[in-house]
Amino acid sequence: ELKVEQNPLFLSMQEGKNYTIYCNYSTTSDRLYWYRQDPGKSLESLFVLLSNGAVKQEGRLMASLDTKARLSTLHITAAVHDLSATYFCAVDIRRGETSGSRLTFGEGTQLTVNP
Amino acid sequence: DTGVSQNPRHKITKRGQNVTFRCDPISEHNRLYWYRQTLGQGPEFLTYFQNEAQLEKSRLLSDRFSAERPKGSFSTLEIQRTEQGDSAMYLCASSNRGYYNEQFFGPGTRLTVL
Repeated sequence: ELKVEQNPLFLSMQEGKNYTIYCNYSTTSDRLYWYRQDPGKSLESLFVLLSNGAVKQEGRLMASLDTKARLSTLHITAAVHDLSATYFCAVDIRRGETSGSRLTFGEGTQLTVNP
Repeated sequence: DTGVSQNPRHKITKRGQNVTFRCDPISEHNRLYWYRQTLGQGPEFLTYFQNEAQLEKSRLLSDRFSAERPKGSFSTLEIQRTEQGDSAMYLCASSNRGYYNEQFFGPGTRLTVL
């Protein structure tokens, strides 16, 4: 059974600091997704990582994927308060031609950026 | 707004009642997914449709749960004889058949079973 683990689960950081969230998964996969969720809201897609060594950046967030290590990272640069949210990684295990992307999510990392 | 929509947004019901939720996916998307999310957890997969065919169901989907997508467009998720453990956010997502297969989520239906 696929397991997806994120750490840390809770992260409190000051504005202007850098930090990295880690996402480990237990089964071979070449598709990994990062989502953001604000309290009481739905999930917003941030990044789609499709191959080993993939790196994507959007503003202060950068995501990378190492399929050999079964590890993805979400790096936050010079954090600002607006980044406060819960961040989820999700892994896709394709089960054949008729199967869609059944996403298995991590527990989420609750990020709080303090002034 | 051309995103995924869900109705109702909130539902409060008494234990033992039946409830039905609706999801309208992004119009050009042929894949539709239902997930359930409880407080402090990531979403858990429930079921998946490609067009009108239900191709996969999680073991989380007990026989009290049924989902349909009759014309390959909107979908409904029905829960019969609700239990307090069914209280959760029910999320719908859709994707197209492209390589990225990125799933876009709706706002969710929050179910409270009293």
